Amino acid sequence: DQQVKQNSPSLSVQEGRISILNCDYTNSMFDYFLWYKKYPAEGPTFLISISSIKDKNEDGRFTVFLNKSAKHLSLHIVPSQPGDSAVYFCAARFNDYKLSFGAGTTVTVRA
Amino acid sequence: DAMVIQNPRYQVTQFGKPVTLSCSQTLNHNVMYWYQQKSSQAPKLLFHYYDKDFNNEADTPDNFQSRRPNTSFCFLDIRSPGLGDAAMYLCATSSGDTENIQYFGAGTRLSVL
Repeated sequence: DQQVKQNSPSLSVQEGRISILNCDYTNSMFDYFLWYKKYPAEGPTFLISISSIKDKNEDGRFTVFLNKSAKHLSLHIVPSQPGDSAVYFCAARFNDYKLSFGAGTTVTVRA
Repeated sequence: DAMVIQNPRYQVTQFGKPVTLSCSQTLNHNVMYWYQQKSSQAPKLLFHYYDKDFNNEADTPDNFQSRRPNTSFCFLDIRSPGLGDAAMYLCATSSGDTENIQYFGAGTRLSVL
């Protein structure tokens, strides 16, 4: 039972443009949402998070938006850079110590 | 640098032959996790430790066991690997903070012949 879904397995964007990654969830009890970035041959690394009591969190080029009524969050990367090419995982916390992950979206930034 | 280290990076085993994957951390985190990830799928939590307290996921097969002899080390034992156990195994740690940010190792790619 996949509680966190990333419906777009891949995304291709031109360098300098905006990348928008989407994530949907089903469990209204999730209280924190996180985005992870993964390069080949490396483990996922934490990128940005948002509390369920907020609707936006920004960190440099990365902004996460949360729409609780739609059970939807998105990650915006502006401007996209070649180093942003990676797999991005959406994750949600549903109790103190566990996360539920989506299947990931592979982003390719074209020069 | 403080980090999560998994050994080996690649492991090949024979069908039914027990195998152990290891994970060590220098972050001094209370919580350690083992995930299984198959191609193009979400990482699937197998179990986690909060200190020495072991927490197994309900759907984790009995074939998978874990040991945490001390804060720094955690092991994943697969007692009788089947072809379906071929996957990437990820170890992660967390301090158990509010956001539950988890820090991952680079993973061990397990092949079963």
